[in-house]
Amino acid sequence: AQSVTQPDIHITVSEGASLELRCNYSYGATPYLFWYVQSPGQGLQLLLKYFSGDTLVQGIKGFEAEFKRSQSSFNLRKPSVHWSDAAEYFCAVGGETGTASKLTFGTGTRLQVTL
Amino acid sequence: NAGVMQNPRHLVRRRGQEARLRCSPMKGHSHVYWYRQLPEEGLKFMVYLQKENIIDESGMPKERFSAEFPKEGPSILRIQQVVRGDSAAYFCASSPTASATNEKLFFGSGTQLSVL
Repeated sequence: AQSVTQPDIHITVSEGASLELRCNYSYGATPYLFWYVQSPGQGLQLLLKYFSGDTLVQGIKGFEAEFKRSQSSFNLRKPSVHWSDAAEYFCAVGGETGTASKLTFGTGTRLQVTL
Repeated sequence: NAGVMQNPRHLVRRRGQEARLRCSPMKGHSHVYWYRQLPEEGLKFMVYLQKENIIDESGMPKERFSAEFPKEGPSILRIQQVVRGDSAAYFCASSPTASATNEKLFFGSGTQLSVL
């Protein structure tokens, strides 16, 4: 069965600092990988996704993620964090039944940004 | 993602009552997914429906839970005889197709169910 681990429950960074959120997955074949962001009171918004090809993927809001098969990781990065990035971030894996919409989510990482 | 409408935003029920959660997908979307987020856990897939059909209900508890997506109207997730363990945030997502690329999968803001 597929699974996702986000080892950091809560991260605090200063505005302007770089950010890396960790995600490790377990999946039998080549996974479909996603990062979502959830702001308070809002639904989940897709930041970026990986299916195949270039292992460094670019997303919205200046985020990027790198797929590393050897480490079963898909870490999310941003070079310079803005205060508006404070939110909860979820890594997800999909594709088990042929549709990427049946997703398995990690427990999330809550990002706090200090000014 | 504001296009996927879920109501109510907050629902309080006493043990043994019924909870009905509604999800209106985005216009043109005929595929609906329900997820549940228990406290301190990630979202867990519950059920996938296409208009009038349940496609995959592998994540639904066997008892007390049911879902429908009628030809007209919103998708409904119904929980009968609620228990405290049902307290969670329930999210709905919709897409126009069952595409594996997922770009057109949009989530609603969720319904927070609290069982007293």
